[in-house]
Amino acid sequence: KNEVEQSPQNLTAQEGEFITINCSYSVGISALHWLQQHPGGGIVSLFMLSSGKKKHGRLIATINIQEKHSSLHITASHPRDSAVYICAGGGATNKLIFGTGTLLAVQP
Amino acid sequence: DGGITQSPKYLFRKEGQNVTLSCEQNLNHDAMYWYRQDPGQGLRLIYYSQIVNDFQKGDIAEGYSVSREKKESFPLTVTSAQKNPTAFYLCASSFNEKLFFGSGTQLSVL
Repeated sequence: KNEVEQSPQNLTAQEGEFITINCSYSVGISALHWLQQHPGGGIVSLFMLSSGKKKHGRLIATINIQEKHSSLHITASHPRDSAVYICAGGGATNKLIFGTGTLLAVQP
Repeated sequence: DGGITQSPKYLFRKEGQNVTLSCEQNLNHDAMYWYRQDPGQGLRLIYYSQIVNDFQKGDIAEGYSVSREKKESFPLTVTSAQKNPTAFYLCASSFNEKLFFGSGTQLSVL
């Protein structure tokens, strides 16, 4: 069992739909990262959070430390949101454990 | 524009050959990292460096070597001892625990 697990592995949505990607972890963490990887391979950091909720544009990330669970929500999804979304948790940055990613495809 | 530049984008290695992947950053970050990404697996840490002239092994360092002679540069050498080098390699830096990634190098074996 991976220490950081994401669900679903694959997700197809229609443009405009509300999307949720989940991340559960079994290790103690001080921060949870959400990353976005586009088809070209480059990765962009979306959020780093250790408690509560953060919002940036149409993206919202939440974390429940007691339940060891985090979610990434995308409101009013758009085809340009199509990417792989990766969560990673751990202590210091050199101790991060990465999930295997959720492949999101948003169809027009 | 500040960022991390990895080169080349694609690299092919012959058996028994050492190859070096370049990673340069102009973000003035102290900490830099090399990750390996394989299909269906999460990123795995190869080496990291918290400061110039110092680096530490990550989880899968065998068959790899690095140097950190300059703050801006953190090259990764894939040696002939790495028997399964085909993967996507990502370089990153961090500041205040936030990660910044390069665009990656796809290494394949001829």
